[in-house]
Parts: sequence; C-alpha cells; structure tokens
Amino acid sequence: AAGVIQSPRHLIKEKRETATLKCYPIPRHDTVYWYQQGPGQDPQFLISFYEKMQSDKGSIPDRFSAQQFSDYHSELNMSSLELGDSALYFCASSPTGVKPDTQYFGPGTRLTVL
Amino acid sequence: AQSVTQLDSQVPVFEEAPVELRCNYSSSVSVYLFWYVQYPNQGLQLLLKYLSGSTLVKGINGFEAEFNKSQTSFHLRKPSVHISDTAEYFCAVSDRTSGTYKYIFGTGTRLKVLA
Repeated sequence: AAGVIQSPRHLIKEKRETATLKCYPIPRHDTVYWYQQGPGQDPQFLISFYEKMQSDKGSIPDRFSAQQFSDYHSELNMSSLELGDSALYFCASSPTGVKPDTQYFGPGTRLTVL
Repeated sequence: AQSVTQLDSQVPVFEEAPVELRCNYSSSVSVYLFWYVQYPNQGLQLLLKYLSGSTLVKGINGFEAEFNKSQTSFHLRKPSVHISDTAEYFCAVSDRTSGTYKYIFGTGTRLKVLA
C-alpha cells in the first residue's frame, strides 16, 4: 500500500539559511498535516491543508510558510533558520480532515541547524 | 482545547510480562483517541483508535485499550511483551478548533522491555 513520502530524509543547514521540506500524501487523501518533534518531545501540530486550502494553524513560527499544490503534495518552507528549529518534521495525511480519522505519518525529515 | 496526559515517562518491564501504559484525557462531549508507536528514528505507526462504539479496542501487535468515560482514561495494555516492543508510545486526541481535526499528543511513554 502507498504510504506518505517525505523528502529529503535528512537535511543539514546553517543558521539563517532556508530549507524546503516536501510531502507527498497517500493518493486520494484530502488533508495534509505538518508536525514538529523536538528532541525527546512529542509531536506539535504546525499547520494543515484541506483540499489544497490552508485549514488550521498551530504553533508555526512566522518564519515558516507552507502550501499545498494542485497534485496535493505539500511543501514546508523555513527561512532564517535558528538552532531551535533542529527537529524531526513529520507530514501526515488523512482520508478526510473534516471528520476525526486516522492520520498516516511519513518517515519524517530530520533537520539539523548548525 | 482538549489534552491528554501520559503519567509515566518511562516504563521498564521484563520480557513476557504484562504492561499497561496510562493515558488520561480532558473531559469533553466527544472524544476521539489514538495510540501510536514510534521506533527509534522512524515515523509514527497507528496501534489502535477509539472513535465510537465498543469501549474495548483491539489493535495491532497484540495491543488493546479500553475507553473509560467515567475515569477519562484510555490505557494501553499488552498481556505479554517482547523485546521488539521497546519503543516510544504516544497517546493522542483528535481535536478541532477550526478547519480540520488535528492531533494533540501526550508527552509519550518510553517502554523498555528487558531480557
């Protein structure tokens, strides 16, 4: 069965640089979520998209932006990177985000900011 | 907003012994609860979920959980653990403030199975 694909799996950046993380949801899933998991912490909700429209925002810094494209893949853009942005970033997709349902998680992108 | 509390940050248990990982949720009219497992350097895998219906939920890998409304709990149990169950376990509640449902995770419980 198809799973959520994230790229790259690992990313190393310097402070003040920019990073772009990509997510390819499971086909026919209409909702994409982004979560940030700091070292030894639980995943924190950043932002979600439903049918290619931004739907909900969590604790996402203003330096971060995200969008979902016509083919449903999503990108998380991170600018002016800080050391504290080092974390595991998960993308998840759901068959529909307007009902409570299972979210299927990708393997994550590990971002290291030096 | 809803929340979940995982009271135990670490649980050591010997192989083939039973285990219970505790999760309590904040009271609400409608509650949708999930347990996920995370192996080192991997993503989150669904173990089981409660959306409605039977309060005893069976999941993968021999895990089960019971939704207890009076105690606002959703504890995860396994009658006999294996070394391979060593991982981080997250309880999550599905919450909607606007737009889509999102997960609010507990702080996680690290299960360490000892030989």
